[in-house]
Amino acid sequence: DAMVIQNPRYQVTQFGKPVTLSCSQTLNHNVMYWYQQKSSQAPKLLFHYYDKDFNNEADTPDNFQSRRPNTSFCFLDIRSPGLGDAAMYLCATSRDGGTGGYEQYFGPGTRLTVT
Amino acid sequence: AQSVTQLDSQVPVFEEAPVELRCNYSSSVSVYLFWYVQYPNQGLQLLLKYLSGSTLVKGINGFEAEFNKSQTSFHLRKPSVHISDTAEYFCAVSLTSRNDMRFGAGTRLTVKP
Repeated sequence: DAMVIQNPRYQVTQFGKPVTLSCSQTLNHNVMYWYQQKSSQAPKLLFHYYDKDFNNEADTPDNFQSRRPNTSFCFLDIRSPGLGDAAMYLCATSRDGGTGGYEQYFGPGTRLTVT
Repeated sequence: AQSVTQLDSQVPVFEEAPVELRCNYSSSVSVYLFWYVQYPNQGLQLLLKYLSGSTLVKGINGFEAEFNKSQTSFHLRKPSVHISDTAEYFCAVSLTSRNDMRFGAGTRLTVKP
């Protein structure tokens, strides 16, 4: 089945130690998104790629970076995680970002713990 | 910018009872509307969406929603819920001009036996 895969499902890192979360997709979608979801809150969009074009949300901290080396893979790098960065990180894809109305397909998420 | 308000943070209901989860949106331009469901420790899954046409939209798992433009609402309903419907439900809105989806804060539906 075509899907969005996130690895690892659970990640523990130390305060200030860089961490990378990965996402891959077999849907061949041209748009990929990264969301941060804290407990009992809505997913918050961090950034998205429309093909190779990177789009950063205005309030996404500089501590968060992303890479998309090809259509299938996208990475979220947290350069110096703080305790406030502990959250579920969701990767999503959609077929096109040029107009609205396209369903987003979500991966299962990576739960990040910062100790 | 568009925004979404989910009026109930938690909705407890008994099995086989009907349920309505409320969603209101705000936007100065045309929007598309979505409902997603999230089971514990999983990603979000699309239940249904409204793009145009009939204002009553049917989705998966027996859910439906009605788009009401005058009341700027998109409430989700199910006539008879099951234990397995226990989950978090998110209403979302995107502009018709770009796929910039904004989520509401979520409603936790708990179905009790």
